[in-house]
Amino acid sequence: GESVGLHLPTLSVQEGDNSIINCAYSNSASDYFIWYKQESGKGPQFIIDIRSNMDKRQGQRVTVLLNKTVKHLSLQIAATQPGDSAVYFCASPRGGEKLTFGTGTRLTIIP
Amino acid sequence: DAGVIQSPRHEVTEMGQEVTLRCKPISGHDYLFWYRQTMMRGLELLIYFNNNVPIDDSGMPEDRFSAKMPNASFSTLKIQPSEPRDSAVYFCASSSGPYVYSNQPQHFGDGTRLSIL
Repeated sequence: GESVGLHLPTLSVQEGDNSIINCAYSNSASDYFIWYKQESGKGPQFIIDIRSNMDKRQGQRVTVLLNKTVKHLSLQIAATQPGDSAVYFCASPRGGEKLTFGTGTRLTIIP
Repeated sequence: DAGVIQSPRHEVTEMGQEVTLRCKPISGHDYLFWYRQTMMRGLELLIYFNNNVPIDDSGMPEDRFSAKMPNASFSTLKIQPSEPRDSAVYFCASSSGPYVYSNQPQHFGDGTRLSIL
């Protein structure tokens, strides 16, 4: 069946370094992807999104790259800070407004 | 701007009791979603509404679960009777448009942590 958000479960990065969180998906028809950040005790928070007609989108300290050929997207966080420690999910709609979430990657920033 | 507001933040109750979770979506958002998050199953969509009408409830686990949206600014998720396996964090989210036509991500509340003893 379809899947989105096949993540590595954990990632540790030194404070100040850049981090890259990867996500794979299986449905080549997926045309919209969203990255969420979930801090402990809080709900998922929207970070950035990208349509399939783009291969790169930049925000503040974050960049999302989309490679439709290999069905892969990544979230790059520049100059990581302690507040970046969280679980990161990629998600994509399937059938109307339903979002499919993966299990997420827990990012830990080492001081 | 106020985000999605959920209450209560925490609920502890004994099995067999009725539980009601509440959500106030972001003003102007036409879509409202209820999710459940557990360690084992991650984030699962239970049901979603468009303009106060339930569109897809295929994720609702069983008849013990019901959800209503009496108006554009309020929704409830009810579990009756509750069971220990219902223990989870329940999130409400809202969005302002369909993905097909616009980039309108869902915005989540901070959830209700439910423990059924």
